[in-house]
Parts: sequence; C-alpha cells; structure tokens
Amino acid sequence: AQKITQTQPGMFVQEKEAVTLDCTYDTSDPSYGLFWYKQPSSGEMIFLIYQGSYDQQNATEGRYSLNFQKARKSANLVISASQLGDSAMYFCAMRRLNQAGTALIFGKGTTLSVSS
Amino acid sequence: DGGITQSPKYLFRKEGQNVTLSCEQNLNHDAMYWYRQDPGQGLRLIYYSQIVNDFQKGDIAEGYSVSREKKESFPLTVTSAQKNPTAFYLCASTESVSGANVLTFGAGSRLTVL
Repeated sequence: AQKITQTQPGMFVQEKEAVTLDCTYDTSDPSYGLFWYKQPSSGEMIFLIYQGSYDQQNATEGRYSLNFQKARKSANLVISASQLGDSAMYFCAMRRLNQAGTALIFGKGTTLSVSS
Repeated sequence: DGGITQSPKYLFRKEGQNVTLSCEQNLNHDAMYWYRQDPGQGLRLIYYSQIVNDFQKGDIAEGYSVSREKKESFPLTVTSAQKNPTAFYLCASTESVSGANVLTFGAGSRLTVL
C-alpha cells in the first residue's frame, strides 16, 4: 500500500534561516511523482514543487528545493531564507497507483511557524 | 482569471439534513476531485471524476454523493448518512504540467453540523 509519512507536527524557524520539512514515502510502483503543497490559514492548497521518480536532478522552484533520496524513500522540502509569509501548513503528497486520474495521497502535514 | 470556485465558504447544517457543496472550474480540466480535511489530518479522497457523466468512489465515499453533468461542475452532496460531516472540504482539478499532473484546488468549504 502507498503511504506518506510526515513526522514533524510543527517546526519553528526564524526569518532568513533555512528549514527542512521531512517526508518519507512508501510505494511499490517504480514510477511515481511526489508533490509539496502549502496551506495557509485561509485554507487554499498551493502547489509548491514536484519531483518525478526518474528525474535526474532534485527539483527547485525559487526558494523551494526538494531533497530527493530515492534509496531512502525520502523527499524533504527545503525552504531557504524563510519569510514570515511562509508560516503555514505543508503537505507532502504522492500520486496514487492504479487510477486513471491523478488523485494524490497526502501526509498529515507539518505546521511551520516563522518568527521575526 | 481561471480557477476553481467553491461555495459556500461556510455552511451550517442541522443533523439529518442533506447539504450540497458547489465546485465550478473554468480551467477546462477533465478530472475533478473532492477531498475532506479534518483538524491535524491530511486530505482524504471522497470522490473523483475523470470525464463528464462518470465518477468513482475514493477512500471515504460513504455518506456522500456526487454528479458530473457538465465538465465545469462537480457538486458534492453530504447526506444524512454521513455520521461525522463536520470538516473542511476541498475541490480540485487536474492540470498537466510537464507530466506532473498538478492538482489545482479551490478555497474550500467549511461545513459545521449543529
């Protein structure tokens, strides 16, 4: 069965510091995709970054990068130079197996608090 | 601007009543999804639809129903059979981006049963 695990319920960081949010996954599919979403207090889910299992390089999008370690089945999100607006809940997700669409399985999330 | 509109944003229901949550998208996406989120939890899939007039159950479909009569619309009905309906409901649709098939989400509807 597929599973996403986020072991950090909450993380605290000061502005301008980097922070790593952990995500481990389990799947039997050799081809898979991993996603990170941000959920501010307003509730809307915002897509941050995507990593395909066959991608040769770790994904990067601005201040976001994904530390993908395939052998360890981990896909940690790294946020560089944290900003106050980064305070939100962050979800790691994986594309589901055996479905024609692209429904995702989500982890339980990590709440990030950025202080000045 | 293109996007997904969910309404109402907040909804209160008495026990035993059915309620319908609206989800409309103007992104021309084929696939649409409904997720439920409880406090401190991740999102769980309720129903999804790949094309018009077709939909499939997700992991927690009991007590819910959907329809997909138009490409743009995917309403969710929370029936009285749903034992614990108080939750945050998110609608999403699929956009293909470099093969990633990124889900675009609406702003959500918060349902409270009184």
